[in-house]
Amino acid sequence: AQSVAQPEDQVNVAEGNPLTVKCTYSVSGNPYLFWYVQYPNRGLQFLLKYITGDNLVKGSYGFEAEFNKSQTSFHLKKPSALVSDSALYFCAVRDGGGTASKLTFGTGTRLQVTL
Amino acid sequence: EPEVTQTPSHQVTQMGQEVILRCVPISNHLYFYWYRQILGQKVEFLVSFYNNEISEKSEIFDDQFSVERPDGSNFTLKIRSTKLEDSAMYFCASSGGTGVNSPLHFGNGTRLTVT
Repeated sequence: AQSVAQPEDQVNVAEGNPLTVKCTYSVSGNPYLFWYVQYPNRGLQFLLKYITGDNLVKGSYGFEAEFNKSQTSFHLKKPSALVSDSALYFCAVRDGGGTASKLTFGTGTRLQVTL
Repeated sequence: EPEVTQTPSHQVTQMGQEVILRCVPISNHLYFYWYRQILGQKVEFLVSFYNNEISEKSEIFDDQFSVERPDGSNFTLKIRSTKLEDSAMYFCASSGGTGVNSPLHFGNGTRLTVT
């Protein structure tokens, strides 16, 4: 069975500093990995995905993620955090097979960016 | 940009009552999903739906739950006899394809409160 782990419940960072939100995955086949962000009282918004190709994936709002096969990780990064980045971030893995393959989410990491 | 819409945004019901949560997926999408999130916790898969039938369901999706696409636009989740532990945010999602390149697009959710 596929799964993702987000070891940090919360990450605190000062505005302007780089941020990293960690994610590790476990899959039996090829990993198809996603990051989503959730703002208060809103649904999940797609940020970026890794399917194949370059290990560094760029997404929305200046976020990027680095795929590392040897460490089975897919950490979310941003060079300079903004207060408006404060939200709940979910890493997810998608089953590549079957009809209507589902996303399996991690437990989420709350990012708090302060002035 | 097209989006997934869910109604109502908040539903309060008494234990034992039936509820129907409604979703309008993105118009050209063919794959539909329901997820739930108990307050501030993990986003859990409930069911996926394609070609007018369930593709996959989780152990949460027991006989009390059902889904339906009654017309060309709506996708509904019915809970026949609600329990207190059904209180959660319910998110509908749709996807343009099963291919792993197709991210799921989520609605803003329906907050279900069972009293």
